[in-house]
Amino acid sequence: AQSVTQPDIHITVSEGASLELRCNYSYGATPYLFWYVQSPGQGLQLLLKYFSGDTLVQGIKGFEAEFKRSQSSFNLRKPSVHWSDAAEYFCAVEGSNSGYALNFGKGTSLLVTP
Amino acid sequence: DAGVTQSPTHLIKTRGQQVTLRCSPKSGHDTVSWYQQALGQGPQFIFQYYEEEERQRGNFPDRFSGHQFPNYSSELNVNALLLGDSALYLCASEVAEGAYNEQFFGPGTRLTVL
Repeated sequence: AQSVTQPDIHITVSEGASLELRCNYSYGATPYLFWYVQSPGQGLQLLLKYFSGDTLVQGIKGFEAEFKRSQSSFNLRKPSVHWSDAAEYFCAVEGSNSGYALNFGKGTSLLVTP
Repeated sequence: DAGVTQSPTHLIKTRGQQVTLRCSPKSGHDTVSWYQQALGQGPQFIFQYYEEEERQRGNFPDRFSGHQFPNYSSELNVNALLLGDSALYLCASEVAEGAYNEQFFGPGTRLTVL
């Protein structure tokens, strides 16, 4: 069955520290991969996406993600976290088996401490 | 340019009632998708509308129905509300043409069923 797993429900990092949020997927073929961020009371904002080609993709707000086919992973990283990065982060996939639908993970809640 | 807008922002209903949620897509977008996001979960795909027809449907009962109007706006209807229908309902719009187009999300409608 197709699935998206975000193993960490909550993550706490200090401001200025580096960040890595994990995402693993289970799909028959390489799907389209996405990271979204959701702040309280806000809709989902796309941070970055991967379709093909270079496995390291750059996104907005200083985020990047690396696609690793052998590990079926698409982890999100940021070298230095700002307090404004505190939010809920969702990994999502869209593939031939899911048609037009985005299949989301359960999300990781990021808390940033001073 | 207004993004995706949804109304109302919040809604409180009782079990057994019916509800209609509305979505206006981003300017130039012709495709609308609806997602349900339960508390602490990632969004779940309900259905997608294109050219006033339901193009794809997720694993939701027939109590969930929708409509798309000629101006591309859309409605989500839920009949015979259950407590479990309490959630944030997100609308997303995109342009259908092309291999892939980003889905832009609205801020959502928070539905509470008592």
